[in-house]
Amino acid sequence: NAGVTQTPKFRVLKTGQSMTLLCAQDMNHEYMYWYRQDPGMGLRLIHYSVGEGTTAKGEVPDGYNVSRLKKQNFLLGLESAAPSQTSVYFCASSLAGGETGELFFGEGSRLTVL
Amino acid sequence: SQQGEEDPQALSIQEGENATMNCSYKTSINNLQWYRQNSGRGLVHLILIRSNEREKHSGRLRVTLDTSKKSSSLLITASRAADTASYFCATANYGQNFVFGPGTRLSVLP
Repeated sequence: NAGVTQTPKFRVLKTGQSMTLLCAQDMNHEYMYWYRQDPGMGLRLIHYSVGEGTTAKGEVPDGYNVSRLKKQNFLLGLESAAPSQTSVYFCASSLAGGETGELFFGEGSRLTVL
Repeated sequence: SQQGEEDPQALSIQEGENATMNCSYKTSINNLQWYRQNSGRGLVHLILIRSNEREKHSGRLRVTLDTSKKSSSLLITASRAADTASYFCATANYGQNFVFGPGTRLSVLP
């Protein structure tokens, strides 16, 4: 099993450019999450989804959009990248959410905005 | 705002010693989980302890939970160089989300 796969793994953008990060999971999980990780800050939740066709805002949603058109995929979009969005982005999935589930993480996508 | 806060921020020990990391949180939880992150990699789930449990073991890992103090500890016994990583606690409330602390960086010296 591949588990959770993120693409691309590395990307460099110029300020104002747009891009989409793709997350795919093959575990038939209902819940999917996008986090960003910055030094000394731990992981902060950007957006999450509790099922196909649903999305919700997390702790730091500004500047990002998401879509969950298919159960196995969760896309994170940056419409107009800013240097403050330089970070490592992690996608995660869970079978049952916070009440009983554990998170399965991808390997991360390192984004640099110049 | 972050729910969990790990302590210490960094810990350096010799191989064979025990490593203890602590996590404090602020609100009621359903469960608390510990994750490990090797450098440049994603997080890996280690252990989950529910709010009605006080202690749990998994191999060389021992986790305790004190809901009255809103704190948890992770003990790694007989540490190895391969245990070098960052360790995060994550709290799950009665909703869908997990909230992570800033982590403890553990270095195990051979």
